[in-house]
Amino acid sequence: NAGVTQTPKFRVLKTGQSMTLLCAQDMNHEYMYWYRQDPGMGLRLIHYSVGEGTTAKGEVPDGYNVSRLKKQNFLLGLESAAPSQTSVYFCASSDGGRNTDTQYFGPGTRLTVL
Amino acid sequence: GQNIDQPTEMTATEGAIVQINCTYQTSGFNGLFWYQQHAGEAPTFLSYNVLDGLEEKGRFSSFLSRSKGYSYLLLKELQMKDSASYLCAVRATAMDTGRRALTFGSGTRLQVQP
Repeated sequence: NAGVTQTPKFRVLKTGQSMTLLCAQDMNHEYMYWYRQDPGMGLRLIHYSVGEGTTAKGEVPDGYNVSRLKKQNFLLGLESAAPSQTSVYFCASSDGGRNTDTQYFGPGTRLTVL
Repeated sequence: GQNIDQPTEMTATEGAIVQINCTYQTSGFNGLFWYQQHAGEAPTFLSYNVLDGLEEKGRFSSFLSRSKGYSYLLLKELQMKDSASYLCAVRATAMDTGRRALTFGSGTRLQVQP
């Protein structure tokens, strides 16, 4: 039982390049989330999904797209990376309402955009 | 929107007790979470409060007062490994959409000294 995993762990991009971050969970959770964490700003929600085939915007969605084709996977895409997207990206999942709906986080992806 | 305040940094001595406060302003309150985050790692779930009062889990306790918009995390018998950031997060239900969202504070960096 690996919980929430993310690939890659580190990435350096040049401005304008694209990439996809992959998140996978093996807890059969309905809900999945993408956050970014910047110094002094806490975790901010980018996009989230309440089930396979659904996605919704969070607090800071601009410049990102997401897809949830399979229940266990949630992909975050950057079509044209900008230096402002340099951050640590965390994926999380939760059971969507049963019990406390606690969010469990992956190890993070450290992205630098030059 | 929501406003969550917690101290930026705290220092305490090994073996002592430390209290980390969190105040919040929100409508549609639906629960408060505390997470621990070691440098370079993912946030890990510590505690959850939805009703007023104290929840105890070993060396860690969390208190909530909904009427005051206030919570604290109490760490007893501090150990060096407790040096980490502690994130307060408030869940609220939007009145118009019914959507539940988790908003994180910026975190309190705790340094435990010998």
